[in-house]
Amino acid sequence: GENVEQHPSTLSVQEGDSAVIKCTYSDSASNYFPWYKQELGKRPQLIIDIRSNVGEKKDQRIAVTLNKTAKHFSLHITETQPEDSAVYFCAASWKVNDMRFGAGTRLTVKP
Amino acid sequence: IAGITQAPTSQILAAGRRMTLRCTQDMRHNAMYWYRQDLGLGLRLIHYSNTAGTTGKGEVPDGYSVSRANTDDFPLTLASAVPSQTSVYFCASSPGTGLTEAFFGQGTRLTVV
Repeated sequence: GENVEQHPSTLSVQEGDSAVIKCTYSDSASNYFPWYKQELGKRPQLIIDIRSNVGEKKDQRIAVTLNKTAKHFSLHITETQPEDSAVYFCAASWKVNDMRFGAGTRLTVKP
Repeated sequence: IAGITQAPTSQILAAGRRMTLRCTQDMRHNAMYWYRQDLGLGLRLIHYSNTAGTTGKGEVPDGYSVSRANTDDFPLTLASAVPSQTSVYFCASSPGTGLTEAFFGQGTRLTVV
């Protein structure tokens, strides 16, 4: 089955700096790559997703890039703010009932 | 009910006891899932259901069972709880028509002692 690795496990940045989280996946059949944000004590919520026919997608301060050849995808957050502090999960899937998640990255944005 | 709801929010359970975690959604989603979240391991799929009347095993199904009698409800049962089942459990749902966002419940924190 699919295996997703996520790095780094923790990331600390200064407010206003950029943050980058990287994920690799093993199954070349995967074609859907969502990113979830989980604030402390809350449920994971989708922040952005990308499909295999797209190389990059942006939504205001967040962007995701996908390199299908290398089987890796990344989340980029620019102009970070304290409210961006959370745990971020990447995931990869090729069918509805088999979404595999990375281990998560705890992002801390220092004011 | 708005979205997807889990009950209870938290529970302390004696080892060997039986426990059912409840999950209800009102979005008429076909697909539903149960995940467990453990520190350093992310979210791991326990069981899933593509549509009412069908269920399937995920990555870590041992010790758990599910049923899907109707579209809205997807309970998870621990027949005889063990301490290694201490975790935060999340129920989720998605429309099921292709690969799209999964909507999560608020989670159930289960401690088996």
